[in-house]
Amino acid sequence: AQSVTQLDSQVPVFEEAPVELRCNYSSSVSVYLFWYVQYPNQGLQLLLKYLSGSTLVKGINGFEAEFNKSQTSFHLRKPSVHISDTAEYFCAVSRSGGSNYKLTFGKGTLLTVNP
Amino acid sequence: SQTIHQWPATLVQPVGSPLSLECTVEGTSNPNLYWYRQAAGRGLQLLFYSVGIGQISSEVPQNLSASRPQDRQFILSSKKLLLSDSGFYLCAWKQGPSGANVLTFGAGSRLTVL
Repeated sequence: AQSVTQLDSQVPVFEEAPVELRCNYSSSVSVYLFWYVQYPNQGLQLLLKYLSGSTLVKGINGFEAEFNKSQTSFHLRKPSVHISDTAEYFCAVSRSGGSNYKLTFGKGTLLTVNP
Repeated sequence: SQTIHQWPATLVQPVGSPLSLECTVEGTSNPNLYWYRQAAGRGLQLLFYSVGIGQISSEVPQNLSASRPQDRQFILSSKKLLLSDSGFYLCAWKQGPSGANVLTFGAGSRLTVL
């Protein structure tokens, strides 16, 4: 089974500052990794995903994440945040391959961008 | 293009009453379908998933059940709600075994049990 740990439940930052949201995973098999964003009272929207290939993955809204297999991490970064980036961010993992596809989520990190 | 619909968006139910949340997907066939629950501070918990009509896998023993009467319809039910059933319920889909490995979520249904 896979598990995900998001190390920070809340991250407050000022507008235009850089931000890193941390995610570590645990798995005995190869994995796919994802970051989703949730705005208040809405569903989840995919930010980016790592399936294979380059370990640096770029997503929407200027976010990127780097897969580090040795450290079992998939941290999310943005060099300069905006007020509109205020939302909850979820890291997720699944085992690669297989027809019964299940996604395991972390508990989320609430990013609050202050003016 | 594919779309996913959930309803109702919000509902308030008394303890002991029944529940039915519905999810439908358009623009695809034979999707994998999922029900997640989101409770405050607890992230997203996978409740049920289905890989085909009538095929339901339960992840967590609880007061809820799921059914898939049609290929693109997924229903979450309860005969008698508990206070602990309150939460934000999210339906999601992905293309079948050979499809892209990405879940697409609906807008969610917020359930308050009083």
